[in-house]
Amino acid sequence: EAGVVQSPRYKIIEKKQPVAFWCNPISGHNTLYWYLQNLGQGPELLIRYENEEAVDDSQLPKDRFSAERLKGVDSTLKIQPAELGDSAVYLCASSLAPVYEQYFGPGTRLTVT
Amino acid sequence: AQSVTQLDSQVPVFEEAPVELRCNYSSSVSVYLFWYVQYPNQGLQLLLKYLSGSTLVESINGFEAEFNKSQTSFHLRKPSVHIIDTAEYFCAVSEPLTGGGNKLTFGTGTQLKVEL
Repeated sequence: EAGVVQSPRYKIIEKKQPVAFWCNPISGHNTLYWYLQNLGQGPELLIRYENEEAVDDSQLPKDRFSAERLKGVDSTLKIQPAELGDSAVYLCASSLAPVYEQYFGPGTRLTVT
Repeated sequence: AQSVTQLDSQVPVFEEAPVELRCNYSSSVSVYLFWYVQYPNQGLQLLLKYLSGSTLVESINGFEAEFNKSQTSFHLRKPSVHIIDTAEYFCAVSEPLTGGGNKLTFGTGTQLKVEL
């Protein structure tokens, strides 16, 4: 069984540029999460989807961040424009349902210069 | 609001020695508890979990953790570590949300470095 797939694995951009991350969850997993992991910190939830509905986006900085999960499968997280402080690892995770354990992808390491 | 504290940011240990990684949590309701491991340049992998029942839970690679409700702790232990155990270990607590679902809150992580 394939795990959670994320791309790209690494991204370097200049500040004020847009960037997008893609996530393909484990087949059949209805719940999808995006986390932000700063260096030396644990992951922090940005947004949670139940199928195609964003049910918890309270931690998503909506002025520059956006996310979508069309058709309730793949998801895209976008930052526009990126700031220096956005440099971090962006993790995607999925689970069968909110109460079940979460499976994480390898993450996308973003560097904003 | 729930929170997780991992007091040790780094734990150096010699190979075949025992190790304990500490985790304390705070929550006003019943919780589920997890330990995740993150190897370099990889995503988090679930190591073990406590949902209910026996307070001692074990992983397939020799780690164990014990849920202690009175001390609000979920310390991770291994009697004899190996070089391949070198990784970052994250403790996490899952708390049910009003309206459904659970929220996973992570600690800041403990870097376990096993040396020869």
